[in-house]
Amino acid sequence: DAGVIQSPRHEVTEMGQEVTLRCKPISGHDYLFWYRQTMMRGLELLIYFNNNVPIDDSGMPEDRFSAKMPNASFSTLKIQPSEPRDSAVYFCASRRTGSNQPQHFGDGTRLSIL
Amino acid sequence: GQSLEQPSEVTAVEGAIVQINCTYQTSGFYGLSWYQQHDGGAPTFLSYNGLDGLEETGRFSSFLSRSDSYGYLLLQELQMKDSASYFCAVRAGSARQLTFGSGTQLTVLP
Repeated sequence: DAGVIQSPRHEVTEMGQEVTLRCKPISGHDYLFWYRQTMMRGLELLIYFNNNVPIDDSGMPEDRFSAKMPNASFSTLKIQPSEPRDSAVYFCASRRTGSNQPQHFGDGTRLSIL
Repeated sequence: GQSLEQPSEVTAVEGAIVQINCTYQTSGFYGLSWYQQHDGGAPTFLSYNGLDGLEETGRFSSFLSRSDSYGYLLLQELQMKDSASYFCAVRAGSARQLTFGSGTQLTVLP
């Protein structure tokens, strides 16, 4: 089975530009998560979806961040406008329903905002 | 909210046994998970404890005591490839989603 697929793997852009990160979850998984990882703040949950519906976006840092899941096989995380402090590794993860179900992470997008 | 504490760094030699502890404070606790992350890589699932006791998977074991709000990951017969960060994560609250600890950097020396 293919794992969680994220693109791009690396993104370098100038501040003020729009950034779009993409994720394809594992087929059959009904939960999808977006995380951000930095040295200072560790692994933070930004938002998660259940059956394509956003359930909790309390981790989204500010209105510059938005996420969508138009269907069960695709999600995007968008930052507009981007700022240098948004530089981080962004992970997408998915899992099946069930408290003991593990989360499967994608390889992440390493984002650098200059 | 949830809070977790784990040591920031642990060092051990090849072939040794190491224990990484995790204490947590949370409401509506469902279980404790452990994830491994190599430098530049993604977190990968190691184990889950929903009930008290020991879960064993090969060289790795994980323990949970719900009454003590405490768990640990035990790594035996350490290998160089075990050098990585190890995160404990609690599944808790009405949303039952994971909250990760800050991670323990394990260095295995030859």
